[in-house]
Amino acid sequence: DQQVKQNSPSLSVQEGRISILNCDYTNSMFDYFLWYKKYPAEGPTFLISISSIKDKNEDGRFTVFLNKSAKHLSLHIVPSQPGDSAVYFCAARVGGSTLGRLYFGRGTQLTVWP
Amino acid sequence: DAGITQSPRHKVTETGTPVTLRCHQTENHRYMYWYRQDPGHGLRLIHYSYGVKDTDKGEVSDGYSVSRSKTEDFLLTLESATSSQTSVYFCAISAGGNNQPQHFGDGTRLSIL
Repeated sequence: DQQVKQNSPSLSVQEGRISILNCDYTNSMFDYFLWYKKYPAEGPTFLISISSIKDKNEDGRFTVFLNKSAKHLSLHIVPSQPGDSAVYFCAARVGGSTLGRLYFGRGTQLTVWP
Repeated sequence: DAGITQSPRHKVTETGTPVTLRCHQTENHRYMYWYRQDPGHGLRLIHYSYGVKDTDKGEVSDGYSVSRSKTEDFLLTLESATSSQTSVYFCAISAGGNNQPQHFGDGTRLSIL
């Protein structure tokens, strides 16, 4: 049973515009959420994370929003650039777990066109 | 980049043969993980390790075994490879503790004919 869901397999955005990638989860015990970016033939690269005690975290062009009541998080990329074209994975971790085991969504392919 | 090296990067083998994939890290991190990535499934955890000789199963562990005899090396073995194990395999490491992300290697593409 998929505990982390990315319901949009793909997203296409024009360069300079905002990209919004969405993620839903079902396990209320998740307390730490991450976004990874993956280029072809490479491993996933950590992008940004957010703890459940926050509702927003920013890092340059990337902002993650967390809505705990809706069990929903989103990644905003502003402005989008062609180099942002990649697969984005949402991941979550159960609270109190020092092992840090992550549960991943199936990914969203973002394409940023000029 | 986190110091993670996976070998081999590509391998083609036949059904029924044993296969071992290696993950080597230079970060001295305690935790190591093996994932597989398949179309439509995202990344799924196979096995993980929380120290030398300390390992446990993930969600898709059937047909796989692991070993960790040194902090820096985590081996994944397919005792008798099957076509369903054709996949891309990723190793990840983590320092552990609160709010520490996992960092991934570049993967091994394994094809079983």
